[in-house]
Amino acid sequence: QKEVEQDPGPLSVPEGAIVSLNCTYSNSAFQYFMWYRQYSRKGPELLMYTYSSGNKEDGRFTAQVDKSSKYISLFIRDSQPSDSATYLCACRRGQGAQKLVFGQGTRLTINP
Amino acid sequence: GAVVSQHPSWVICKSGTSVKIECRSLDFQATTMFWYRQFPKQSLMLMATSNEGSKATYEQGVEKDKFLINHASLTLSTLTVTSAHPEDSSFYICSVGTGIHEQYFGPGTRLTVT
Repeated sequence: QKEVEQDPGPLSVPEGAIVSLNCTYSNSAFQYFMWYRQYSRKGPELLMYTYSSGNKEDGRFTAQVDKSSKYISLFIRDSQPSDSATYLCACRRGQGAQKLVFGQGTRLTINP
Repeated sequence: GAVVSQHPSWVICKSGTSVKIECRSLDFQATTMFWYRQFPKQSLMLMATSNEGSKATYEQGVEKDKFLINHASLTLSTLTVTSAHPEDSSFYICSVGTGIHEQYFGPGTRLTVT
């Protein structure tokens, strides 16, 4: 079983829709949770990070972590064609441990 | 965040030759850098953690004699793929660890071994 599971998609939605991307994880030691966006043939770009459970909002993006169910989510409001990319969730243990464990990534397409 | 560059962005080499990939942290003194490999439509897999001035720590299943990592300064880490074979063709990405929370990634290097 992979430590971090993510549906690879692909996911295709119309412009303006709310997008929900999700991951589950199995390691209770994970405390930091990140979402990265990766365009084709580019390196990942950090979008959001969250410590422990809770919500975090940044513009059109909202990250949610529910440690009780080991479930992390990223919501994109008012989706734009420029949001079309692969979205990767990543988890990390506590301070001092920098190793990230990534999900498989979800390919998202926003249709104009 | 840290700005990370990689060179070259794309390289083609013949089977049996060695290829060196550079990762530079342009605006951050990076004591720790990471090297990942990503196959098409797959996620990033950590290969090794590179520490300035010491030996790299390799993940299980990664051949340290094949993937040589050198982190000689706070701004430069290199990955050398020795005796490359077609199965080593992949997208190699480095990242810089800035401390507590974030890793910042380079643009990646696409290696094609013919």
